[in-house]
Amino acid sequence: AQTVTQSQPEMSVQEAETVTLSCTYDTSESDYYLFWYKQPPSRQMILVIRQEAYKQQNATENRFSVNFQKAAKSFSLKISDSQLGDAAMYFCAYRSAYGGATNKLIFGTGTLLAVQP
Amino acid sequence: AAGVIQSPRHLIKEKRETATLKCYPIPRHDTVYWYQQGPGQDPQFLISFYEKMQSDKGSIPDRFSAQQFSDYHSELNMSSLELGDSALYFCASSLGLAAETQYFGPGTRLLVL
Repeated sequence: AQTVTQSQPEMSVQEAETVTLSCTYDTSESDYYLFWYKQPPSRQMILVIRQEAYKQQNATENRFSVNFQKAAKSFSLKISDSQLGDAAMYFCAYRSAYGGATNKLIFGTGTLLAVQP
Repeated sequence: AAGVIQSPRHLIKEKRETATLKCYPIPRHDTVYWYQQGPGQDPQFLISFYEKMQSDKGSIPDRFSAQQFSDYHSELNMSSLELGDSALYFCASSLGLAAETQYFGPGTRLLVL
């Protein structure tokens, strides 16, 4: 079974600085998707960024980028120029790319990010 | 753009009562997923439907049942509610089982007293 591990329960960053959130996963599959979701105090689940395992190029979305290391099964999120609105719980998630019946998202335990003004 | 709609947004029930949560997927989306997020926890997959058929099942209690209707909306029925059922229930939708991304609704907050 696949697992997702986020070893940093809490992180803090100064406004305008850069922070990296860590995520590791375990799977025997060769094709899959990885995601970072943001959950602000409203508790809405907001997709931040996604990565396809077969794509070697790291995904970027404006101030958000990932460092995807497939061999190491690592998928970290870098937030540049941090803003107060970035403060939230961040979940790393895995999904099989084989379609069929098993397409559920498997989440890590989350990292609570605080942004200091 | 239209998003996933969930109703009600908040629900308070007594122990042993029944609750029904509804999910209206993004138009044309034929796949619906249900997740449960307890206090301070990550979301856990409950069940999913594709084209009105159950496609996958997770850690859903036998007291819960769900279905997807012909218009693709889905309902999660919860009976004999327990205190531990208090949680945020998310519905997500996608276009097809192989779709890369699941789009989440705002969630239904269920409180069981």
